[in-house]
Amino acid sequence: EVQLVESGGGLVKPGGSLRLSCAASGFTFNTYSMNWVRQAPGKGLEWVSSISGSSDYIYYADSMKGRFTISRDNAKNSLFLQMNSLRVEDTAVYYCARYSPAGTTYIDYWGQGTLVTVSS
Amino acid sequence: QSALTQPASVSGSPGQSITISCTGTSSDVGGYNYVSWYQQHPGKAPKVMIYEVSNRPSGVSDRFSGSKSGNTASLTISGLQAEDEADYYCSSYTSINTYVFGTGTKVSVL
Repeated sequence: EVQLVESGGGLVKPGGSLRLSCAASGFTFNTYSMNWVRQAPGKGLEWVSSISGSSDYIYYADSMKGRFTISRDNAKNSLFLQMNSLRVEDTAVYYCARYSPAGTTYIDYWGQGTLVTVSS
Repeated sequence: QSALTQPASVSGSPGQSITISCTGTSSDVGGYNYVSWYQQHPGKAPKVMIYEVSNRPSGVSDRFSGSKSGNTASLTISGLQAEDEADYYCSSYTSINTYVFGTGTKVSVL
């Protein structure tokens, strides 16, 4: 059974940093591209970033470029999101999500999310 | 990377059919057959209902169907049921190797 379990969320002040983690199990992690997707309270889904299985290809949404860094550790079946210079508008539930076996055509599995709150 | 445009809400009576539109550009929806649709119930993670415009994952009811014409994709739910009440999001791969979601549509079953 595919499982994605996020951790690392919490309360942080504006300008602060936070590192999210996602523990993956139930599939061959290093063969799948992975994503972070966020959802602000009461708002819609927003794609954040993706990383290929071997970390060769990394992409970011424009509003996250330069502040967020996605990475993975295939030996530990883990995905990460380093978030710096956090803003109030970064407050959201952050989901770890797997691209389908066919590639980047769609997301087939999602974690339950971890809440990040940016507030003074 | 503007969000794809969806109606804010759509409603229907049990047994009826409803259609949700999703409008993008030639750089996303119109340029690729990589449109997918997600259902999200309150407090839950999204679930894929349609992928690659019109394909249903195993386990998804055949009451859900998808299509595309030009820069607009559509999700149709036929035989509307109470359990279909949820938020629905379209999404698309883009020409700059990113992913974009729609603005979301709240489906209400009257």
